[in-house]
Amino acid sequence: EDQVTQSPEALRLQEGESSSLNCSYTVSGLRGLFWYRQDPGKGPEFLFTLYSAGEEKEKERLKATLTKKESFLHITAPKPEDSATYLCAVTSHGLSGGYQKVTFGTGTKLQVIP
Amino acid sequence: GAVVSQHPSWVICKSGTSVKIECRSLDFQATTMFWYRQFPKQSLMLMATSNEGSKATYEQGVEKDKFLINHASLTLSTLTVTSAHPEDSSFYICSARAWPPDFWGGEKLFFGSGTQLSVL
Repeated sequence: EDQVTQSPEALRLQEGESSSLNCSYTVSGLRGLFWYRQDPGKGPEFLFTLYSAGEEKEKERLKATLTKKESFLHITAPKPEDSATYLCAVTSHGLSGGYQKVTFGTGTKLQVIP
Repeated sequence: GAVVSQHPSWVICKSGTSVKIECRSLDFQATTMFWYRQFPKQSLMLMATSNEGSKATYEQGVEKDKFLINHASLTLSTLTVTSAHPEDSSFYICSARAWPPDFWGGEKLFFGSGTQLSVL
């Protein structure tokens, strides 16, 4: 069974203080690893999909990286508007090659203080 | 990015009534849609996976007769909570797999804005 563990559970940063969020995963045949941002009372907002070890993607102050066992979401010089819960999820190849369910981690709640 | 419209965003109902939640992909076809439930300060719990034109696949522990899912078209899936009780109160979120992946730059799931269900 696919498993996703995110750490830390919560992170408090000063504005401009860079840091990284971790997502460790166990999956039989990774099809994709997703990063999402979720604000309170709203649905998750898509950030990135990573497919293979060594892959990196960037968007504004965010950069996601992937290894065979974990993914990191690096936040460079964060701003208060980056405060949110960041979710990591994985999906694996099904037996028939079809789309399997997406397994989410419990998220990291990020708070950026001005 | 693609848009998934989910409504209602908030519903309050009496115990014993049924509530229908709609999830529409507005600018893409969604051959697969997922329904999640989220409790406060917890992550998303997958309830079921629905493929257009076929029966939904429910996760272990989810009552299929209580949570009816219909995916009648490539752009619409509905979740009906039948005979709702206070313990069904939760935040329900749908997501849709953007199809075809090559057009959308790879595998992507887009989420609705969620529905907060409160059963009195």
